[in-house]
Parts: sequence; C-alpha cells; structure tokens
Amino acid sequence: AQSVAQPEDQVNVAEGNPLTVKCTYSVSGNPYLFWYVQYPNRGLQFLLKYITGDNLVKGSYGFEAEFNKSQTSFHLKKPSALVSDSALYFCAVRDMRDTDKLIFGTGTRLQVFP
Amino acid sequence: EAGVVQSPRYKIIEKKQPVAFWCNPISGHNTLYWYRQNLGQGPELLIRYENEEAVDDSQLPKDRFSAERLKGVDSTLKIQPAELGDSAVYLCASSLGLLATTGELFFGEGSRLTVL
Repeated sequence: AQSVAQPEDQVNVAEGNPLTVKCTYSVSGNPYLFWYVQYPNRGLQFLLKYITGDNLVKGSYGFEAEFNKSQTSFHLKKPSALVSDSALYFCAVRDMRDTDKLIFGTGTRLQVFP
Repeated sequence: EAGVVQSPRYKIIEKKQPVAFWCNPISGHNTLYWYRQNLGQGPELLIRYENEEAVDDSQLPKDRFSAERLKGVDSTLKIQPAELGDSAVYLCASSLGLLATTGELFFGEGSRLTVL
C-alpha cells in the first residue's frame, strides 16, 4: 500500500534555530512528494514538491526539503525558524494507481517558541 | 485572483438532519476535489471531478453522501442523513491540471461540521 508517515505529532523549536519535520514514504516506483502547511482556521497551502531532478527542493517561506531515495524520506527543513512558522504540516505522496490523487500523512504540529 | 471559496465555514446540526456544502473553485481550474479531514488526521479524498464528470468517487459513502458539479464549475456536497461520525472538516480543492504536471492543489478554508 502506498503511504506516507510522519513519525512526530509535534515538533518544538526555538525561534532562530533550524527545524526539521520528518516524512517517510512507501510507494512502488518513483514517488511524487509534496509538503503542505495548514495555519489555524485556514485551508492547506502548497509549500513545495519533488517530482524529479535535484534532491534538494526549495519552496515557499524559506522552506526546503531533501529527497533521500535510500532512506525513503522527504524531510522538511528550514535554517532559521520563525514564530510565524507555527502551523500544521502535512507530507503527501501522489497515488501511483491514480496519478491525480494525493495521499496525506497525519500531520506534524510545529511550535516555534520566541 | 480569488481562491477556492467554501460555505458555510461552520455548521452544527443534529444527527439524522441533512447538510450541504458549497464550493466555488478557482476560475479555470477543471479539476475539483472534496476531501474530509477528521480531527488529528490528514485529508482523505472523497470525490474528484474532471469538469462535470466524477472520475473517482470510490471513497464516497454513497448511502448518505452525494455530490454534484453542474456545468463543471461550482460543486455541492450533501450528507443525508448525517451521523455523529460525519463530524469533520470538509475541504474543497481545485487544480489547473494533473498533479503530475502542476503538482499543486489549491484548498479552500474548509467547512467544519459538528453533528450532535
């Protein structure tokens, strides 16, 4: 079965420190991977995607993600966290059986403390 | 550019009552999705439309849920009758083309349903 796993329900980090939100995937074939962010009482917003090419993908708001095929991971990173980055982050993978469907992880709540 | 618009934002009903949610996608977006997000979970696809055609409704509980997208623009998701387990946030999203090409869904703010 195709899936993504986000092993951490919550990540806490101090403002100015680097942050990592973890995601691992399980798919057959080459994955298409995505990160979305959900601010309180708002819809999900696209951050970045990996389809092919460079393993380091840069996205919105200074976020980046590294695709690691050997570890089947796609961790979200940011060099210096901001309080305004506090939100719910979802990793997603395209369903290989249905190329227009996303399978989302359970989400990781990022809390950035001043 | 206006985003995906959903209404109502919040709805509280008693079980066995009907409820309907409306979605207006971004202009020009042919693909429309309805997702359900339970508390503490990621969104799960209910139904996907390509223009006015439902191309994937395998996860839609057809005994009580129905959806339509007349004229390939706005869409309505209906639940009748609602059950306690239907309490969730119902998200509408749209995209300009296939995920393989554009890689991005645009989501509305969601409709939060509480069934008492």
